[in-house]
Amino acid sequence: EAQVTQNPRYLITVTGKKLTVTCSQNMNHEYMSWYRQDPGLGLRQIYYSMNVEVTDKGDVPEGYKVSRKEKRNFPLILESPSPNQTSLYFCASTVSSDTSYNEQFFGPGTRLTVL
Amino acid sequence: AQSVTQLGSHVSVSEGALVLLRCNYSSSVPPYLFWYVQYPNQGLQLLLKYTTGATLVKGINGFEAEFKKSETSFHLTKPSAHMSDAAEYFCAVSFTGGGNKLTFGTGTQLKVEL
Repeated sequence: EAQVTQNPRYLITVTGKKLTVTCSQNMNHEYMSWYRQDPGLGLRQIYYSMNVEVTDKGDVPEGYKVSRKEKRNFPLILESPSPNQTSLYFCASTVSSDTSYNEQFFGPGTRLTVL
Repeated sequence: AQSVTQLGSHVSVSEGALVLLRCNYSSSVPPYLFWYVQYPNQGLQLLLKYTTGATLVKGINGFEAEFKKSETSFHLTKPSAHMSDAAEYFCAVSFTGGGNKLTFGTGTQLKVEL
């Protein structure tokens, strides 16, 4: 089954404790990205990757890191989480980095709480 | 810069009634427009999209939307609401050269009542 998976689905942590949220897609998609969803703000892009070893900042990249060492995986790293990073996070992928009109496939989300 | 405005963060309709969710966009270049739906505890799923050509777009689950360039709108409609339509709906825009980035509206929570 074609899908985007994220782990963990739920995470409660404390300020400053490094964490990684994994994202994996099995569709051989070039483009992957991370969004955060906050009430009243919709979804905002954190980082994106147009292919292996090619990543760039989105609209709200502060406090986050990413890597793309393999085509299928795009982990989101919070090296020193803070309470303002409490949010619902979504990973998404789409087939091509050259076009902007393809459907994006979203993972099920990771609800992160930073105390 | 692109932006999306969704009027009404919460919309309530009766089962069988018309669903109308409003979306207006701002874009300096021709946009690609999307509607995504988010069911509770799930990721977003594409309902429909407009790229070029026919301005009336049909999607899944009986939804459709019409691209009106003169009004910069892309409202989502469904003739008859069903209880299973209760979800949050997001309008989004992208454009050529925008690197696949989706700019989302703030979402509309649809409630369907008996």
